[in-house]
Amino acid sequence: DTAVSQTPKYLVTQMGNDKSIKCEQNLGHDTMYWYKQDSKKFLKIMFSYNNKELIINETVPNRFSPKSPDKAHLNLHINSLELGDSAVYFCASRVTGGSTEAFFGQGTRLTVV
Amino acid sequence: GQQVMQIPQYQHVQEGEDFTTYCNSSTTLSNIQWYKQRPGGHPVFLIQLVKSGEVKKQKRLTFQFGEAKKNSSLHITATQTTDVGTYFCAGPTSGTYKYIFGTGTRLKVLA
Repeated sequence: DTAVSQTPKYLVTQMGNDKSIKCEQNLGHDTMYWYKQDSKKFLKIMFSYNNKELIINETVPNRFSPKSPDKAHLNLHINSLELGDSAVYFCASRVTGGSTEAFFGQGTRLTVV
Repeated sequence: GQQVMQIPQYQHVQEGEDFTTYCNSSTTLSNIQWYKQRPGGHPVFLIQLVKSGEVKKQKRLTFQFGEAKKNSSLHITATQTTDVGTYFCAGPTSGTYKYIFGTGTRLKVLA
């Protein structure tokens, strides 16, 4: 009964490939996020969706495309992977409106070789 | 754009020593949250502060929100090896959707 689950946990792939990471939350939250954590542990917001609608799109390359089929799911597709995309990607969710805590998935460690 | 900086970036302490991390925002925050990320783990919510000058305690952890609501601190008394991890503060930008995370402080506790 994991609250926010991501798959896969590890992903090793070659440069130029296309890959997807999936995220699902069973908390009934209406806002979901993708964060990227680099080797220095900085957590940078990439995207945010509220009720399936994209509301935050940081300066992320076009190769990254999020998709939210419903408010419980937020997937991340990455085209033409580059070495610099290697990082840990975290999905998170929260209830919108007011200040609420974010719940994070366990992360997907992406390694591009 | 809005920035949230934390100092120090790294801290090594002997078990039993105290530890403090400071969080500074370039803009006023309506609230601030603190998260802990264990090595190999994911960020986990610790606490939220909302009022100017607010102080909250959780066992050995003391959290403060500055009077101007632009800075915050987390103090751990008598650290234990279980305190190891990276501590992040996070605050919202305009609106409620976007939370900016601080740069984090990585704590190592030597037994």
